[in-house]
Amino acid sequence: EIVLTQSPGTLSLSPGERATLSCRASQSVASSYLAWYQQKPGQAPRLLIYDASSRATGIPDRFSGSGSGTDFTLTVSRLEPEDSAVYYCQQYGISPFTFGPGTKLDIK
Amino acid sequence: QVQLVESGGGVVQPGGSRRLSCTASGFAFSNYGIHWVRQAPGKGLEWVTFIRYDGTSKFYADSVKGRFTISRDNSNNTLYLQMNSLQTEDTAVYYCLVITKGWGQGTLVTVSS
Repeated sequence: EIVLTQSPGTLSLSPGERATLSCRASQSVASSYLAWYQQKPGQAPRLLIYDASSRATGIPDRFSGSGSGTDFTLTVSRLEPEDSAVYYCQQYGISPFTFGPGTKLDIK
Repeated sequence: QVQLVESGGGVVQPGGSRRLSCTASGFAFSNYGIHWVRQAPGKGLEWVTFIRYDGTSKFYADSVKGRFTISRDNSNNTLYLQMNSLQTEDTAVYYCLVITKGWGQGTLVTVSS
């Protein structure tokens, strides 16, 4: 089973700054089959990035994904207050298609 | 636009069964594999099961293997999750997910006596 570790656990930043979220896999993720999701309280998760770096439809270009192998990064530029949420990564290269524990991003 | 709508949640007694549905629209349903993902109250996301676009391959998390069954009806753009021998630990919001398209809004299953 591929274990995903996300860091940091919590990130507190100010509007206008840049957030860098890490997702590290215990073994290589096949074909960069890694996605990022955003979840706000009381809402369903929202797809941000798939295939490590492809932005989903309607996602602003402030959100970008990068990485391959075992190390992946979600970068959120020009932070806005509405970016406050928990961000999850998921690998879908091999079953079980595991999720990371999430990073909580606070924008104050 | 892409829509995934789950239904079938509710309160079930331990040991009981429930069938969830996920109805899709706005994309070529029969071309995509689909996941069920759940989230227990106050917890993170847990992958549950996946079915290939044509239904020929299915994968399950160890926590549900032998109790849950995923299936799909491509003629009706609908995904199913048959849940048997439900336990209190299965209490969660259940979501359907198409990796490149997005998530449904979820349906809550509560296992309680």
